[in-house]
Formats: sequence, structure tokens, C-alpha cells
Amino acid sequence: NAGVTQTPKFQVLKTGQSMTLQCAQDMNHNSMYWYRQDPGMGLRLIYYSASEGTTDKGEVPNGYNVSRLNKREFSLRLESAAPSQTSVYFCASTASPLSTDTQYFGPGTRLTVL
Amino acid sequence: EDQVTQSPEALRLQEGESSSLNCSYTVSGLRGLFWYRQDPGKGPEFLFTLYSAGEEKEKERLKATLTKKESFLHITAPKPEDSATYLCAVQAGGSYIPTFGRGTSLIVHP
Repeated sequence: NAGVTQTPKFQVLKTGQSMTLQCAQDMNHNSMYWYRQDPGMGLRLIYYSASEGTTDKGEVPNGYNVSRLNKREFSLRLESAAPSQTSVYFCASTASPLSTDTQYFGPGTRLTVL
Repeated sequence: EDQVTQSPEALRLQEGESSSLNCSYTVSGLRGLFWYRQDPGKGPEFLFTLYSAGEEKEKERLKATLTKKESFLHITAPKPEDSATYLCAVQAGGSYIPTFGRGTSLIVHP
């Protein structure tokens, strides 16, 4: 099992460009999450999907959109990138929604917006 | 004001020098407290979940304990390979979304 995979690993964008970060899990998990991690800050939740067909905003959703494509895949889209979105983005999944299940994290996407 | 506070921000130890990392939380109605390890350039990796005050869990040189308002991650006789950032997260109240602390960066010198 690969667990949680993310693509791309690195990306450099210019201000105003758009891109989609991809995330997939092969653990048959129901819930998926997108976080950003900035120096000196904890992981901050952008969006999450408790189950296939549902998505909800987290702590810092502005400037982002998400799509839960199917049970395996959860993508994060930046429509018009801004320098403030320079960060490391992590996708995570848990087996069940509304539970204290362990979160499994992907390796991250390092995004720089110039 | 942070709901989950980790201290110290950074810790340098000599190999074999035992110490503890702290995670304090202000939220009520704890559902679970999680410890993760994060190596540079990688995603967080799960270590422990604690559910109630008095609970303890161990894994190799690590031992996590929980009181009503804080958790400690004790590192006994650390080795250089224990160097990493250790993250704490709390699930509480009506939410099943964990809130993360800012982490403690641990460096163990040989």
C-alpha cells in the first residue's frame, strides 16, 4: 500500500496562475483533509471531506477550492495564486468521519508563489 | 490565543540525555490527544493517541502521558535518530477536527 500520495512534490507559480494539487489514498478511508504548514505555525486546516460527496471549510479556506472526486481522491485548487499561499501543503486521511481515528499524512507539496 | 501550546519550541540534547516535551491545551471535552513525529521534508507520522487523564503509552524510547490539561512526551536516553519535530494535536468539544500545536523541534547531538 502506498498510503497517501500527493502530486506534485514541488511547484513554483507566478502570482495569478492557477494550479491543482492532487491527493489520493489507497486505504479505503472515508475522510480526507487538506492542511497548510508555514514556518513557526502549526498545521492549519484548509478544507476537509468527511465522506465522499461532502466538503467543508476549515480554518483557512479563502483562496482555495476542493473537489472530492471519488472515495480515493481529494484535490485542492488555487484559482489565482498569491504569494501568501507559499507554503507546504499536506493531505491526510482517516478511516471514519466523526471519530478519533489516526490521521495518515502524505509527503507534502512544496509550493512557492512568486 | 492558541488552544494547543507546545513547549519548548526547540530543544537540543546530547545523546543519552533524557528530557520531556510538553503539550498544554485549553479546550474542554477532550476526545483525543495525538502525538506525531515529523522529519524534515516529510509528512507527520503518527506516534500515539491518548484519551483520558492518567493514560500512558510507550514506544521504544518514547513515553506519552496525559493529565487533565497537558500531555508530556518523555524521551529516555535519546539517540540522534530521534531528531525531528514533534507535533501535538487535540480533538475536543463538538468537533472531530484536530487542532495542532506549533511543534517542538528536537535535535539530539551524538
